[in-house]
Amino acid sequence: QKEVEQNSGPLSVPEGAIASLNCTYSDRGSQSFFWYRQYSGKSPELIMSIYSNGDKEDGRFTAQLNKASQYVSLLIRDSQPSDSATYLCAVRMYSGGGADGLTFGKGTHLIIQP
Amino acid sequence: NAGVTQTPKFRILKIGQSMTLQCTQDMNHNYMYWYRQDPGMGLKLIYYSVGAGITDKGEVPNGYNVSRSTTEDFPLRLELAAPSQTSVYFCASSYSGGQLAKNIQYFGAGTRLSVL
Repeated sequence: QKEVEQNSGPLSVPEGAIASLNCTYSDRGSQSFFWYRQYSGKSPELIMSIYSNGDKEDGRFTAQLNKASQYVSLLIRDSQPSDSATYLCAVRMYSGGGADGLTFGKGTHLIIQP
Repeated sequence: NAGVTQTPKFRILKIGQSMTLQCTQDMNHNYMYWYRQDPGMGLKLIYYSVGAGITDKGEVPNGYNVSRSTTEDFPLRLELAAPSQTSVYFCASSYSGGQLAKNIQYFGAGTRLSVL
C-alpha cells in the first residue's frame, strides 16, 4: 500500500518569511515527486517536480529530495499572501507497465500572514 | 488552449440515480485519469487509461465504470449513486512519450457531486 504523509496544518508563516512544507512516502521504489498547489474550490496546479536526490530551484520555490530517508520537501522563499493555499505532495512509482496514477498526501494548508 | 475540460461543474443526484461525468482533452495525451477528492483529503485514483480501448482500475474503483473510445474523451459512469460518492471528481491527462515517470499530469477544473 503506497502512502504519502503530510502534516495537514494549518501552517502559519509571516509574509516575507520562508515556508517549509514536508512530505514522507512509504514506497522505496518511488521515482517521481510532485508538489501541487490547490486553492480552495480549484483544481491542483503543478508547482514543482523533482526526480533526483538534492535540490531543485525554480524562482521562489525549492524542492528537496532525499530518497534514502524517503523524504521530500518544498521551500517557499519570500512568502506572499497569494501563496496561501493547500499544498499537495504527490508521488509516482513508475512500474514500466504504463500510466500509473499519482499517490497524493492529504495536503498542508499554508496561511501567509500579511 | 482548453486543456482538460470537465462537465458538468456541479451536480446533485438522488440515491440510486445514474450519471456520466464527462472529460475531454485537446492536448493529444494518451494517458488519462480519474481522481476523487473528499473534504480535507488528498486525491485518490479511481481509474486510468493508457489509450483508446484500454482502461485499468486505480485505488478506489468500486461503484464506477469507465470507457475510452477516443483519445480525447474519458467519461466516468456512476451506475447507482450512493452518499459515499459525494465528492469532487478530477480528470487529468499526461503525455505518453519521453520518460514516462516524469510526465506531468494536468488537471481539469473538477465536478462537484452531491448524492442525497
